[in-house]
Amino acid sequence: SQQGEEDPQALSIQEGENATMNCSYKTSINNLQWYRQNSGRGLVHLILIRSNEREKHSGRLRVTLDTSKKSSSLLITASRAADTASYFCAPDRGSTLGRLYFGRGTQLTVWP
Amino acid sequence: EADIYQTPRYLVIGTGKKITLECSQTMGHDKMYWYQQDPGMELHLIHYSYGVNSTEKGDLSSESTVSRIRTEHFPLTLESARPSHTSQYLCASSEFGEDLNTEAFFGQGTRLTVV
Repeated sequence: SQQGEEDPQALSIQEGENATMNCSYKTSINNLQWYRQNSGRGLVHLILIRSNEREKHSGRLRVTLDTSKKSSSLLITASRAADTASYFCAPDRGSTLGRLYFGRGTQLTVWP
Repeated sequence: EADIYQTPRYLVIGTGKKITLECSQTMGHDKMYWYQQDPGMELHLIHYSYGVNSTEKGDLSSESTVSRIRTEHFPLTLESARPSHTSQYLCASSEFGEDLNTEAFFGQGTRLTVV
């Protein structure tokens, strides 16, 4: 399977709390990307982390990558109701002419 | 705001009709994708193109077909719609870069219902 597997499938938290989502994959990768999808809409790119990077930050987002465990995590700090969405990871093997594969995502609900 | 557009946004159509879902991007991206997604489920790659006159089927078998005659245009066609085709169809594009995969831009999707 070329897609990542997000965990948990659903996460429900209060505003102000941190949200952590995990992604596991099975093959070696060139990079890994995280995306967000609001209900019924297209996906929006959040962050890309390369295989030689261990951590990356973007605003309230922090992504880590452990290639030895074939896993990545997305942390959203000080969550807001507007962060409610589905979050997907897309591991890139770098060998299939640039195809991006997505799993089922993590459905995050942030309550006001 | 991404410069990739899908039309129509919603489509309800009868069984047996031929339909074409439009996808256009103005970013000059070489790579374009079509995904199929049921509510709460994963995105399935059904078609892929890495340039003009190049199309490949994705991992999920689909009765739809695509064409890539122009860089900016990647329409998806169903010759005879069936209720099993009811789903959301998402189009995306990206460019070749230092990483084999760079950031993908998605359209807003077409919600297709076949009755």
